[in-house]
Amino acid sequence: DTEVTQTPKHLVMGMTNKKSLKCEQHMGHRAMYWYKQKAKKPPELMFVYSYEKLSINESVPSRFSPECPNSSLLNLHLHALQPEDSALYLCASSQERQGNYGYTFGSGTRLTVV
Amino acid sequence: AQTVTQSQPEMSVQEAETVTLSCTYDTSESDYYLFWYKQPPSRQMILVIRQEAYKQQNATENRFSVNFQKAAKSFSLKISDSQLGDAAMYFCAYSPPRGGTSYGKLTFGQGTILTVHP
Repeated sequence: DTEVTQTPKHLVMGMTNKKSLKCEQHMGHRAMYWYKQKAKKPPELMFVYSYEKLSINESVPSRFSPECPNSSLLNLHLHALQPEDSALYLCASSQERQGNYGYTFGSGTRLTVV
Repeated sequence: AQTVTQSQPEMSVQEAETVTLSCTYDTSESDYYLFWYKQPPSRQMILVIRQEAYKQQNATENRFSVNFQKAAKSFSLKISDSQLGDAAMYFCAYSPPRGGTSYGKLTFGQGTILTVHP
């Protein structure tokens, strides 16, 4: 298995809702990442997990809450989002945090906040 | 902080022709990794090619090759025999070496939209 699987592919949520994004990989990678991407812009790093521990938080608002229950699974819990949070959320993984062999990306969750 | 610059917002090429996408970066490190990623409308970021800074030899992957000029901090991507399926947004990306506060951060350029004409 050489894929990063993200669910759901599309999500529409209200500003008072609570939802979660899921990311899964079975490549034995020990680093996992969340990125946010606006249309026609590069991905922006949000969080880095290394060996299931949060290593980097790029000053992301607390309405985004990451969780890494095990080495294969990464969640992003969403609560009280704003319309400007609408974007494509990409998950990625790499063998190690350095990612010198490259980063494998999922196909993303398209999030719309209404 | 590291920066990656792609100066060509859009490029176009005829099918079967060759096109080169430009990328420059800024870093004070001597050992790092560079990547080209492709993002078609399907949204998934696909690794096209990678280059290790300590290797002088330019990386190649089938029709894709890079021109890595370490002193000039330049990392261009050449696509030969362009195909319709090559149409996508291409991102140049920099990965710092182990250690330091940027360890694990992948920095992307602004991207180049490539159109392939039949």
